[in-house]
Amino acid sequence: AQSVTQPDIHITVSEGASLELRCNYSYGATPYLFWYVQSPGQGLQLLLKYFSGDTLVQGIKGFEAEFKRSQSSFNLRKPSVHWSDAAEYFCAVGAGANNLFFGTGTRLTVIP
Amino acid sequence: DTAVSQTPKYLVTQMGNDKSIKCEQNLGHDTMYWYKQDSKKFLKIMFSYNNKELIINETVPNRFSPKSPDKAHLNLHINSLELGDSAVYFCASSLEVGGSSGNTIYFGEGSWLTVV
Repeated sequence: AQSVTQPDIHITVSEGASLELRCNYSYGATPYLFWYVQSPGQGLQLLLKYFSGDTLVQGIKGFEAEFKRSQSSFNLRKPSVHWSDAAEYFCAVGAGANNLFFGTGTRLTVIP
Repeated sequence: DTAVSQTPKYLVTQMGNDKSIKCEQNLGHDTMYWYKQDSKKFLKIMFSYNNKELIINETVPNRFSPKSPDKAHLNLHINSLELGDSAVYFCASSLEVGGSSGNTIYFGEGSWLTVV
């Protein structure tokens, strides 16, 4: 069965520091992987996605993620965090028909 | 020119009432969804429609009834609201089948439902 694990419930970083949010997935076939961001009181915005090809994918707002099949991971990174990046981040795996399975999210707090 | 729009954004209602949430997408997509986000922020699919046909119904109580008058609209009607229905409901759409086929699923801004 498919599943997504985001081990970190809450992460706090200083503005300007680097960021890595972890995501591990379980899926029997080639995964389609996504990162979404949810700002407070807002909907879900797609940051980036991996379908195939280059395992390092670039997204919006300066984010990138690397797919590592051997580790079943798709970690999200940003070299320098801005205060506006404070939000909830969700990793998801495309599985089954028409469906996304989401992780439980990681809340990012940015300290000025 | 919002791609996936849903109304109302906030809804407070009493137990036992019936309410509807409307959703429209202007992306020309064939597939639409309803997702529920609970108080712990966990997101789970409720329904999926492809060209107005129901594709997924994830063990959702019968009190929840989606209606798709055309492929640009997917409304959610909830009968006899219960306290546990309080959640954020997200409408979404994708070009064809989403998720596992690789098509990106685009989400609306959510509807915050509070049942008192």
